[in-house]
Amino acid sequence: DGGITQSPKYLFRKEGQNVTLSCEQNLNHDAMYWYRQDPGQGLRLIYYSQIVNDFQKGDIAEGYSVSREKKESFPLTVTSAQKNPTAFYLCASSILGGMNTEAFFGQGTRLTVV
Amino acid sequence: GENVEQHPSTLSVQEGDSAVIKCTYSDSASNYFPWYKQELGKGPQLIIDIRSNVGEKKDQRIAVTLNKTAKHFSLHITETQPEDSAVYFCAATGGSGAGSYQLTFGKGTKLSVIP
Repeated sequence: DGGITQSPKYLFRKEGQNVTLSCEQNLNHDAMYWYRQDPGQGLRLIYYSQIVNDFQKGDIAEGYSVSREKKESFPLTVTSAQKNPTAFYLCASSILGGMNTEAFFGQGTRLTVV
Repeated sequence: GENVEQHPSTLSVQEGDSAVIKCTYSDSASNYFPWYKQELGKGPQLIIDIRSNVGEKKDQRIAVTLNKTAKHFSLHITETQPEDSAVYFCAATGGSGAGSYQLTFGKGTKLSVIP
């Protein structure tokens, strides 16, 4: 089955640690995106990538980093510089470089700082 | 950049009644307006979308209307059922500059359908 897979579903991080969230898609989509979701805030864009080896900052990129070495994969690293990392993180992909086509979302990763 | 406002933030309706959620956008160049449904603990799923070259689109109990002049679009759910209970997000994209490649979301509406 085609789809977009995020792992792990739940992640706990100690303060000062970096953690990496995985996002893999087998839809052959060019574009991939990371969103952060907080209660009452909607979805806010962290980073996006339109092609392999290229990515751009979204609205809230500080404290995060990404890579796009393969078309299928777009991992997100939450660094120790992110002051409030506890949130629900969503990865998405779409066919073309623009999002005026359907975006498919993964099931999310809930990150909690302990 | 694009700004999307969504109202109301919460909505409770009796089963069988209609529900309407409204969104406004700021970038007149935006041309694609999807609606997503998110169930608890899951990722959003597209339920309907509309492009700027049409004014209305319907899919069974769900419809979306778009008023480009006023820069607002609405989701209409008729004959609501308990399984319609979820958080609904509107979004806009296709606008000018860097925003043309970004989906900008509203803050969501929590819909509760009371049996």
